[in-house]
Amino acid sequence: SQQGEEDPQALSIQEGENATMNCSYKTSINNLQWYRQNSGRGLVHLILIRSNEREKHSGRLRVTLDTSKKSSSLLITASRAADTASYFCATDGGGGADGLTFGKGTHLIIQP
Amino acid sequence: GAGVSQSPSNKVTEKGKDVELRCDPISGHTALYWYRQSLGQGLEFLIYFQGNSAPDKSGLPSDRFSAERTGGSVSTLTIQRTQQEDSAVYLCASSLRRGYQPQHFGDGTRLSIL
Repeated sequence: SQQGEEDPQALSIQEGENATMNCSYKTSINNLQWYRQNSGRGLVHLILIRSNEREKHSGRLRVTLDTSKKSSSLLITASRAADTASYFCATDGGGGADGLTFGKGTHLIIQP
Repeated sequence: GAGVSQSPSNKVTEKGKDVELRCDPISGHTALYWYRQSLGQGLEFLIYFQGNSAPDKSGLPSDRFSAERTGGSVSTLTIQRTQQEDSAVYLCASSLRRGYQPQHFGDGTRLSIL
């Protein structure tokens, strides 16, 4: 079953603007990750934030985690056409499962 | 190889046939995972291997699904008597060891059941 729920389901912005995606989850976690998926390809790991961290940066990416609200956000600054993809949050540690639990994803379109 | 390799990339088969999907993980990664991605269900975790052992098979959708891993490397996911609802993209991932993140994904096998 899907634990994470991303919103919005789809987002279209102009190149150069910032894109923000949100994720909510239901059970306790060890860490939360964000992955990107280009059409017809596999998932590419972007960033991992541990349950005891509140914010993390990697290049143009900024991730926040609020464990009290069981939510996370991914901010992509100065978006580029190449950022067009689907973005998924994934959690582990929930229920002791070994696999990741993914949200339904946000489809991001960057208009040139 | 440099990344996780899956074959075939695409598979079209008739309902009722058996199919075998292959995953070659990153060299040295002891943990291997199978996921299924479909429009209706999103990304679902199917099964996990640590070495050649799969401790929990409860994520497999039905008893028509089986998976094995030999030599701590290549894994195969077999679907017997395929049904149309088995149509999906099957993704494989590997990580250094159990519980170690991130997982590295292959490009998947797109399975279509006619």
